[in-house]
Amino acid sequence: EAQVTQNPRYLITVTGKKLTVTCSQNMNHEYMSWYRQDPGLGLRQIYYSMNVEVTDKGDVPEGYKVSRKEKRNFPLILESPSPNQTSLYFCASSPPGSGETQYFGPGTRLLVL
Amino acid sequence: SQQGEEDPQALSIQEGENATMNCSYKTSINNLQWYRQNSGRGLVHLILIRSNEREKHSGRLRVTLDTSKKSSSLLITASRAADTASYFCATVFTGRRALTFGSGTRLQVQP
Repeated sequence: EAQVTQNPRYLITVTGKKLTVTCSQNMNHEYMSWYRQDPGLGLRQIYYSMNVEVTDKGDVPEGYKVSRKEKRNFPLILESPSPNQTSLYFCASSPPGSGETQYFGPGTRLLVL
Repeated sequence: SQQGEEDPQALSIQEGENATMNCSYKTSINNLQWYRQNSGRGLVHLILIRSNEREKHSGRLRVTLDTSKKSSSLLITASRAADTASYFCATVFTGRRALTFGSGTRLQVQP
């Protein structure tokens, strides 16, 4: 089944404890992206990747890192999480020539205490 | 902000009625897309309309785009309780690959 998977789905952590949220897609998509969703703010893009080893900042990159060593994986790294990073995170991927139609993962709900 | 803005923020209708949601944006776009999100779940792509198109249909969905007014509307005809969800417009601005989302319309369809 074609899909975008994220792990973990739910995570509670404490300030400063490094964490990684994994994202994987099995559709051979070149483009991948991370968003965060907060009430009243819609979805905001954190980072995106046009292809392997090519990443760039979105609208809200502060406090996050990403890497794209393989085409299928695009992990989101929070080196030192803070409470303002408590949010619902979505990974998405998109094939070339799709008009940027994106396929979303199920989301990761993160709580930073 | 370059975000699309949806209107209304919330909409409650009876099953069988039509639901109309509007989206406005600020700068030139390549295309505009509508997504649906069930509570706390991932977004699902509904329909894409390109900047040179004025209207598009998909099943019970009808999308219009008016680039002169920088606005789009999503019409869901003969709504069902299962249509209850949040609906987001997302724009791809000229010269930028990323999607920029609005804050969404919460649709409640009463059975």
